[in-house]
Amino acid sequence: DAGITQSPRYKITETGRQVTLMCHQTWSHSYMFWYRQDLGHGLRLIYYSAAADITDKGEVSDGYVVSRSKTENFPLTLESATRSQTSVYFCASSRQGNSPLHFGNGTRLTVT
Amino acid sequence: GENVEQHPSTLSVQEGDSAVIKCTYSDSASNYFPWYKQELGKRPQLIIDIRSNVGEKKDQRIAVTLNKTAKHFSLHITETQPEDSAVYFCAAIGGNQFYFGTGTSLTVIP
Repeated sequence: DAGITQSPRYKITETGRQVTLMCHQTWSHSYMFWYRQDLGHGLRLIYYSAAADITDKGEVSDGYVVSRSKTENFPLTLESATRSQTSVYFCASSRQGNSPLHFGNGTRLTVT
Repeated sequence: GENVEQHPSTLSVQEGDSAVIKCTYSDSASNYFPWYKQELGKRPQLIIDIRSNVGEKKDQRIAVTLNKTAKHFSLHITETQPEDSAVYFCAAIGGNQFYFGTGTSLTVIP
């Protein structure tokens, strides 16, 4: 689905650096989500947003910050990257809280 | 919050056989249960979903069943084909959050 795009696709950063992952959707979906995917853990929710200027923590939010000043954008920032944050990050959106999720192509982040 | 358990973690079947993946959930208030397929290196994509007011839903070779009393739901794939090989995730909705199972890696052997 071209309606939700993530950038960059790949990122290598060093421990302690700040890094921001971008997510943009063109459907005007109310809900947006950030997940991380690690082997053996499936998809774990980091943060979600029900609307512009409304965000809530998920199960693994420590070390991450989000903002949603506009409906279409939902950037995820790692304030001080750690090796344990090496993962594949997926952004997703949905029209309503119990509507299907549409995923972006993911960002593979490596923290050295 | 919701807790979703998924079994088995890996599944191998011969081409043409059926595959069944099972999930349980904990929150009786959950009312939406989607299934996602993820091919290697790609994003998860919705393949079928079911809501709590329905017991079964079919889409060609794929079906999902829901037992609200027992709090479990299952994905059934019939006449499996090599292109069905992927990781499958179940999910349940609790309080506007999607809770995912840990995934089932399905391999269809030609």
